[in-house]
Amino acid sequence: DTGVSQDPRHKITKRGQNVTFRCDPISEHNRLYWYRQTLGQGPEFLTYFQNEAQLEKSRLLSDRFSAERPKGSFSTLEIQRTEQGDSAMYLCASSPGTGHGYTFGSGTRLTVV
Amino acid sequence: EDQVTQSPEALRLQEGESSSLNCSYTVSGLRGLFWYRQDPGKGPEFLFTLYSAGEEKEKERLKATLTKKESFLHITAPKPEDSATYLCAVLSNNNDMRFGAGTRLTVKP
Repeated sequence: DTGVSQDPRHKITKRGQNVTFRCDPISEHNRLYWYRQTLGQGPEFLTYFQNEAQLEKSRLLSDRFSAERPKGSFSTLEIQRTEQGDSAMYLCASSPGTGHGYTFGSGTRLTVV
Repeated sequence: EDQVTQSPEALRLQEGESSSLNCSYTVSGLRGLFWYRQDPGKGPEFLFTLYSAGEEKEKERLKATLTKKESFLHITAPKPEDSATYLCAVLSNNNDMRFGAGTRLTVKP
C-alpha cells in the first residue's frame, strides 16, 4: 500500500465553477477525514466517514460542499459555485479507528481565480 | 470550545542547539494528543500520540511529553533536516481532531 493518494495535486478554477477532488485511503483504514488548510494555519476539520457513513460535518462545510464515500472505499469532495475564499489546500487522511494517528495524503491545492 | 495554542510561531536554531516547542490545550475530555511534522507542500506526517499526563515518547532527536494542560516537543541536537512545521493536535470526546497553527522550525547548519 502506498499510503493515502489524492488527485489532482493542483487545481486552478474560475470563480463559480464546480470542482471535485478524489481521495484513496489506506485500504485497511475504515475512517476517512477531510481537512482544509490555509497558509500559516493548521488543518481545519471538514468532515469524516466511518466506512460509507458520513458521521460528522463541520460548521465550515457550507451547503456548497458535499462529500461522499461510496462503498466505504475512495472518497470525493465536491465544491459547487467556488468562491475565492475556497482557495486552500484540501487534505485527506485515514486511520484504522478512533485514537490512532492519521495518515495524510499530500493534498489538493485549490486556487480560485 | 476545544482550543490548541502552539508557541513559538517560528523558531530558528543553529545545528546542535537543543530547544522545546510548546502546545497548550483546553479540551472536553482528552482522548489523545498528537504531534505531526509537515514539510512545505506536503500533508502532515504522524510522529507521536500521547494519551495521559506523564507519558513520554521518543523518536530519534525528538521527545514528546504531556501534562494535563500542555505538551512539549523537545528537539535534541537538531540537524538541518529537522526543519519543518511541527503541528500539535488534540482528540476530544467529540471525535474531532483539532490542530494548532504549528511552529515553523528552521535549523541552520
